[in-house]
Amino acid sequence: NAGVTQTPKFRILKIGQSMTLQCTQDMNHNYMYWYRQDPGMGLKLIYYSVGAGITDKGEVPNGYNVSRSTTEDFPLRLELAAPSQTSVYFCASSYLAGPPYGYTFGSGTRLTVV
Amino acid sequence: KQEVTQIPAALSVPEGENLVLNCSFTDSAIYNLQWFRQDHGKGLTSLLLIQSSQREQTSGRLNASLDKSSGRSTLYIAASQPGDSATYLCAVVSGSRLTFGEGTQLTVNP
Repeated sequence: NAGVTQTPKFRILKIGQSMTLQCTQDMNHNYMYWYRQDPGMGLKLIYYSVGAGITDKGEVPNGYNVSRSTTEDFPLRLELAAPSQTSVYFCASSYLAGPPYGYTFGSGTRLTVV
Repeated sequence: KQEVTQIPAALSVPEGENLVLNCSFTDSAIYNLQWFRQDHGKGLTSLLLIQSSQREQTSGRLNASLDKSSGRSTLYIAASQPGDSATYLCAVVSGSRLTFGEGTQLTVNP
């Protein structure tokens, strides 16, 4: 009954370093998403995937990359970390985008770039 | 491009009061609308999901309504409690995307 699992929960990166945020879901959901949430703000879509092998850009994709080799996993890659990428990152999944299905969110990864 | 707005940005009420949170969206071609709760520093918890063909959903003290034609949804919280203090986020599904408002930060004072 894990749902959406994100790792790590916290990370501090130096400018220019790279890292991968992991996201795994065990609900056999087709759709997966990465969002970032800046302090006091709503969530902005970074990338999304409608199935294995298919990804597309969201509102704020610059500085990030994704891949979707399996239904379960949707990692988010930061290649050259910048202070502007300091944020909380949420992964989400949904069986389909339409009704009656809703979205399930992971607990988030808090990233600080210094 | 879908845009979602939530009013007010912050709300402080005494315990026991009934309250309404507002959400508006610009594109009425939505599949569904979902209300989430986010406790400080935590992830998102789904509260209510309203399909585009529905007008309202209820769960306990929460009632959410949807008026697609006017691009509005409201979340009604009855008999508020200090434990209801959190940020409430409205999100709409259109196409294959979920678009969020910026949230209403609710504080219920004992």
